[in-house]
Amino acid sequence: AQSVTQLDSQVPVFEEAPVELRCNYSSSVSVYLFWYVQYPNQGLQLLLKYLSGSTLVKGINGFEAEFNKSQTSFHLRKPSVHISDTAEYFCAVSQRSAGANNLFFGTGTRLTVIP
Amino acid sequence: DTGVSQNPRHKITKRGQNVTFRCDPISEHNRLYWYRQTLGQGPEFLTYFQNEAQLEKSRLLSDRFSAERPKGSFSTLEIQRTEQGDSAMYLCASSGSGGTGGEQYFGPGTRLTVT
Repeated sequence: AQSVTQLDSQVPVFEEAPVELRCNYSSSVSVYLFWYVQYPNQGLQLLLKYLSGSTLVKGINGFEAEFNKSQTSFHLRKPSVHISDTAEYFCAVSQRSAGANNLFFGTGTRLTVIP
Repeated sequence: DTGVSQNPRHKITKRGQNVTFRCDPISEHNRLYWYRQTLGQGPEFLTYFQNEAQLEKSRLLSDRFSAERPKGSFSTLEIQRTEQGDSAMYLCASSGSGGTGGEQYFGPGTRLTVT
């Protein structure tokens, strides 16, 4: 089974400051890793994903994440945040397999960008 | 590509009533997933279809829940004898098969309120 822990439920940060949202996972099998963003009253939008290869993954809206296998982490970073980044962010994992790739999500981190 | 659509967007029902939600996936996607998201939590996997076959169900999916995907296109999720604990956002997602890492595209969700 897989599980995801997002250590911070809320992260306030000033506009143009850097931010890191933390994610740790647990799994007995190899996994794919994802970060999704959810704006109010909307579905989830994929920010970035790690499948294989380079451990530093770049996504949309200036976000990037680094896969650290030894620490089982996949932290999300942005060097300079904007007001429009205010949203809920979810880390997720799925099992590497040819079958179902249902996602296991963390409980989310609410990022609030302060003007 | 019009994305994943879900109807209705909001549903208010009285306890004990039956409700049905619809999901239209991205047309070329053969995989379809249902998730449930309660307030302050990440989405939780409910069930998965590959084409018209329902291949996996979570233990969260009690006997009151049933999902179908006739002809491998749209899907419906029915909840019978609704309970207040069923109040949640119901999310649908679709993906292609193969080595995509299971990247899933989410719809806007159906918010169910059981009074």
